[in-house]
Amino acid sequence: EAGVVQSPRYKIIEKKQPVAFWCNPISGHNTLYWYRQNLGQGPELLIRYENEEAVDDSQLPKDRFSAERLKGVDSTLKIQPAELGDSAVYLCASSSKRIFYNEQFFGPGTRLTVL
Amino acid sequence: KNEVEQSPQNLTAQEGEFITINCSYSVGISALHWLQQHPGGGIVSLFMLSSGKKKHGRLIATINIQEKHSSLHITASHPRDSAVYICAVSPQVADKLIFGTGTRLQVFP
Repeated sequence: EAGVVQSPRYKIIEKKQPVAFWCNPISGHNTLYWYRQNLGQGPELLIRYENEEAVDDSQLPKDRFSAERLKGVDSTLKIQPAELGDSAVYLCASSSKRIFYNEQFFGPGTRLTVL
Repeated sequence: KNEVEQSPQNLTAQEGEFITINCSYSVGISALHWLQQHPGGGIVSLFMLSSGKKKHGRLIATINIQEKHSSLHITASHPRDSAVYICAVSPQVADKLIFGTGTRLQVFP
């Protein structure tokens, strides 16, 4: 079974440019998470989807960040415009309600560098 | 104060040494997770436990629910064990994970 797929793996952009990250969760997983991980820190939740509904986006900086999961499967996270402080690894994870205790499966992440 | 605290933050060891990483948390949980992250790589789940002890190869994870404490042990450490080890908890009252800041382990030959 394929794991969580993310693309691109690496992205380098100049500040004020837009950027988008894509995530394909494990088949059948209805819950999808986007995390941001700064260097030397643990992941921080940006947004959580249950199917196509964003059920927790309290930590998403909505002035420049947006996300969508239109058909309840793939998801896209966008930053527009990017700032220097957005440099981080963006992780996508998915889980299934059928799996007890909220075990999440993580993708490889997208490492964003903003110059 | 973070809800999940790990120690040490950084750890170096010689190949073959026994390693212990500690995790303390302050919230009620339904499960605790130990995760591994290699440089440039994604996160891999090592253990998910709610009581007692689990063993997988050279890795052992224990949890004491009363003391709100967990440990990850690596026996006969190897350079390929070099990674960041992250403790995360599933709170009883919220459908999310709370992460520690990780322990960076380097094992030298």
